[in-house]
Amino acid sequence: DVKVTQSSRYLVKRTGEKVFLECVQDMDHENMFWYRQDPGLGLRLIYFSYDVKMKEKGDIPEGYSVSREKKERFSLILESASTNQTSMYLCASSPMANSYEQYFGPGTRLTVT
Amino acid sequence: SQQGEEDPQALSIQEGENATMNCSYKTSINNLQWYRQNSGRGLVHLILIRSNEREKHSGRLRVTLDTSKKSSSLLITASRAADTASYFCATNPVSSNTGKLIFGQGTTLQVKP
Repeated sequence: DVKVTQSSRYLVKRTGEKVFLECVQDMDHENMFWYRQDPGLGLRLIYFSYDVKMKEKGDIPEGYSVSREKKERFSLILESASTNQTSMYLCASSPMANSYEQYFGPGTRLTVT
Repeated sequence: SQQGEEDPQALSIQEGENATMNCSYKTSINNLQWYRQNSGRGLVHLILIRSNEREKHSGRLRVTLDTSKKSSSLLITASRAADTASYFCATNPVSSNTGKLIFGQGTTLQVKP
């Protein structure tokens, strides 16, 4: 079974802090994704990566950056957390080709105060 | 940008009844996928239907796809209380070659025992 793990289930940070969210997958997938989920807005893609050190902006990249130094690990970085970044963050992975589903981690609920 | 739009936003039925959720999208797709999310958790893949398929079954799930209308439906037959969850459609656009998905806002299903 594919396993996608996220470093924290719940996280509380202060405005202005630098925040790291970590995601690890164990199935050698090329693609990894970061989404945020907000009520009434569904899932919105922040960034995705299709290979080590390769990344592309999603629909809402502002205020975020990412890092993928190893194939199994994809990190989301909030350079200076703000209250409007309070959200549920979901990581996912998939094989490269288009006809595969994405496998999701359990999510990190981040609160910025 | 949100490609998929689910309808209805919320649905409440009695156990044993069938539940139907609809999804509309805007651009040409390689495939359409349905996911389920239990409260506060990650998403779980349910079923994938390719653009050249019209109908697909998996257990109590039946998915249809009408590419001329750019719409899909998910039917859950003989619903159970355990089916209570949010359901999301996601499209893989033809313009994407990286497995990127665009999610809709979801339908919240409540199945009353």
